[in-house]
Amino acid sequence: QKEVEQDPGPLSVPEGAIVSLNCTYSNSAFQYFMWYRQYSRKGPELLMYTYSSGNKEDGRFTAQVDKSSKYISLFIRDSQPSDSATYLCAMRDTGGFKTIFGAGTRLFVKA
Amino acid sequence: DTAVSQTPKYLVTQMGNDKSIKCEQNLGHDTMYWYKQDSKKFLKIMFSYNNKELIINETVPNRFSPKSPDKAHLNLHINSLELGDSAVYFCASSQEGLTAGISPLHFGNGTRLTVT
Repeated sequence: QKEVEQDPGPLSVPEGAIVSLNCTYSNSAFQYFMWYRQYSRKGPELLMYTYSSGNKEDGRFTAQVDKSSKYISLFIRDSQPSDSATYLCAMRDTGGFKTIFGAGTRLFVKA
Repeated sequence: DTAVSQTPKYLVTQMGNDKSIKCEQNLGHDTMYWYKQDSKKFLKIMFSYNNKELIINETVPNRFSPKSPDKAHLNLHINSLELGDSAVYFCASSQEGLTAGISPLHFGNGTRLTVT
């Protein structure tokens, strides 16, 4: 079983839809939770970063962490075609240098 | 200004050859990484250097040898290339040792390696 599980999709939605992306994990030592966005032929770039449980909002993006369920989510409101990309969840504990990534979910937003 | 740059962007080579990928970061970070992304987009850590010291060495064939001449540079040399080495290799950097929180990774745009 992988430490971080993420449905690779693809997920196709119409413009303006609310998108929900999720990951589950098994390592209870993870304390830092990140979402990266990767456009085709580019490196991943950090989208959101949260520590421990709770919600964080940044414009149209909301990240949620539920440590009791070992479940994290990224919500995208009013999705745009420019949001079409692969979204990777990532996690890390406090002690080491290793960031563990999910498989990435490929999102297509249709105009 | 490119923060993390890798060369070459594309590398096509035959089985059995030896090749190198170079990475440089101008962010002043003290830690650099090599990640491998397979055809299914799964991103897996290979190596990490902190202040030129190897701190992460995942289960990677010893045909792969990283080298960090200084904090701003990390190279990856691959001997006797195999078909299964075909992937996108990403360099990343971060600043460790922060008093609070962590520094997320900053990635380059990858080197697409194709072994024929």
